Amino acid sequence: GENVEQHPSTLSVQEGDSAVIKCTYSDSASNYFPWYKQELGKGPQLIIDIRSNVGEKKDQRIAVTLNKTAKHFSLHITETQPEDSAVYFCAATYSNSGYALNFGKGTSLLVTP
Amino acid sequence: GAVVSQHPSRVICKSGTSVKIECRSLDFQATTMFWYRQFPKQSLMLMATSNEGSKATYEQGVEKDKFLINHASLTLSTLTVTSAHPEDSSFYICSAGTSGLSYEQYFGPGTRLTVT
Repeated sequence: GENVEQHPSTLSVQEGDSAVIKCTYSDSASNYFPWYKQELGKGPQLIIDIRSNVGEKKDQRIAVTLNKTAKHFSLHITETQPEDSAVYFCAATYSNSGYALNFGKGTSLLVTP
Repeated sequence: GAVVSQHPSRVICKSGTSVKIECRSLDFQATTMFWYRQFPKQSLMLMATSNEGSKATYEQGVEKDKFLINHASLTLSTLTVTSAHPEDSSFYICSAGTSGLSYEQYFGPGTRLTVT
């Protein structure tokens, strides 16, 4: 089955700096890669996603890049703000799996003022 | 759009009793719903996938007789934890996938279950 590795497990940046979280996946059939933000005691919130036919996608301060050959994808947050502090999860899935998501272990991001 | 609700948000029950958790898609029809559990400071672990009108598909190691899933309509799925034990205490989260070719899953706010 699919195995998703996520690094780093914790990340601390100063407000205004950029944060990068990286994930690798094992199944070359995976073709959809979402990123979720989870605040304490809440459910995950979809913040951005990318499909395998696209190399990069951007939404304001958030961007995701995908390298299908290397089987890795990354989340980039620019101009970080304290409210970006949360746990971020990457995931991968493909249609034949019934769209079930395989999650990375998560990255706890702390943005200090 | 794409709002998923869960009820209750928190529940405390005694060992041996059963608890039902509801998951609703409020503004879209969800042909597929997923149930996850999450232990503190850990990732989400898929428990089962349910499709409207058919039996749920459980992940390896998840007892289908203990975690009963019903997906009776395109907007409602329920998870019943039967004969709960303290080790079932966890954060249970559902997600709903929109119909058609879309992959997106939208998550509910989660239910914190504590079994005493």
